[in-house]
Amino acid sequence: EDQVTQSPEALRLQEGESSSLNCSYTVSGLRGLFWYRQDPGKGPEFLFTLYSAGEEKEKERLKATLTKKESFLHITAPKPEDSATYLCAVQAMGSGNTGKLIFGQGTTLQVKP
Amino acid sequence: DTAVSQTPKYLVTQMGNDKSIKCEQNLGHDTMYWYKQDSKKFLKIMFSYNNKELIINETVPNRFSPKSPDKAHLNLHINSLELGDSAVYFCASSQVGRSTYNEQFFGPGTRLTVL
Repeated sequence: EDQVTQSPEALRLQEGESSSLNCSYTVSGLRGLFWYRQDPGKGPEFLFTLYSAGEEKEKERLKATLTKKESFLHITAPKPEDSATYLCAVQAMGSGNTGKLIFGQGTTLQVKP
Repeated sequence: DTAVSQTPKYLVTQMGNDKSIKCEQNLGHDTMYWYKQDSKKFLKIMFSYNNKELIINETVPNRFSPKSPDKAHLNLHINSLELGDSAVYFCASSQVGRSTYNEQFFGPGTRLTVL
């Protein structure tokens, strides 16, 4: 069964303290891995798509990497405005053209000033 | 210039009532989705429509009935509401046809509370 597990569930950082979020996946052929950011009371906001092992993408203080079993979201020198829940999702080859995403349970990040 | 919009934002109702949530996207996408997010923030797909055709129908009680009048709109009707239906419901859209990969764009969510 296709599955996505994120760790840790919650993370508290001091402003400027870099860290990484983990997304482990088990899928019958990976079509794509997606990272989203969700602020309280809002819908998930798309951040990155990664397609193949070794791929990396960056946006401001965020950098996403992908291996054959997991993805990391690295946060460099975070600021309080980076506080949010970060969601990881995978699309399996077996999903065909349905676009079906399987989400992890998310990591809630709190950055203190 | 809202990309994916949902109405209403909040919905509070009594057990046993019937309610509907509406969704519209102006991104020109061919596929729309309904997700349910529980209290632990776990996001799970319920339905998906591609060009008005149902293509994903997860294990959801048949009290939930989606309808897509056109590819820019996807509505969700819920009959005989139960306490366990309380959650945040998100609509999303993406371009699947003629696209190898798809990024889904989400609406702001509808928080449903069943009393």
